[in-house]
Amino acid sequence: GNSVTQMEGPVTLSEEAFLTINCTYTATGYPSLFWYVQYPGEGLQLLLKATKADDKGSNKGFEATYRKETTSFHLEKGSVQVSDSAVYFCALVGTGRRALTFGSGTRLQVQP
Amino acid sequence: GAGVSQSPSNKVTEKGKDVELRCDPISGHTALYWYRQSLGQGLEFLIYFQGNSAPDKSGLPSDRFSAERTGGSVSTLTIQRTQQEDSAVYLCASSLTQGGRGEKLFFGSGTQLSVL
Repeated sequence: GNSVTQMEGPVTLSEEAFLTINCTYTATGYPSLFWYVQYPGEGLQLLLKATKADDKGSNKGFEATYRKETTSFHLEKGSVQVSDSAVYFCALVGTGRRALTFGSGTRLQVQP
Repeated sequence: GAGVSQSPSNKVTEKGKDVELRCDPISGHTALYWYRQSLGQGLEFLIYFQGNSAPDKSGLPSDRFSAERTGGSVSTLTIQRTQQEDSAVYLCASSLTQGGRGEKLFFGSGTQLSVL
């Protein structure tokens, strides 16, 4: 079946540091890949997505590239801010499926 | 409101009791999902509704769990004879069309269920 593996957190960084949150997946066919973010006290919201190999999703300074050869979709940001502190979830939806499969989430804490 | 609304936000119950969790999706959204988030775990898919089609119940963990969606809008997730392992945050999400590839899901803030 489909599965998503994320690096465990929490990840603690200083403001303006470079961020990488690793995500790898297992799926048949050609899944679509997503990053969702959950800010404190808020519901999950879509951060970015990529629907085919080599696509790059980007939003709010975050980027992730769909790498089929390594089955990865790592999240990166060049300079994090305190306001980026949140829990980040990697997810996929497989071919012919409707429901997303989520990773366990990675908590990011950015210190001023 | 403009977003997905869930109620109650917190529910504490005793083992063996039944509970009902409610979800109001965004108006006009035809697809509705229930997920469960246990401590330290990812989001676990429970059930999916799409329009008038038969729901996808493949994620329900046992027959104590059931859900319905009335009039294509509000949904209720019912857990009968609750157990301590049912303690989790129950999340509802909706999407404009049939969900899946590329479709953006809108999540509610969840119901924190604690079974004592």
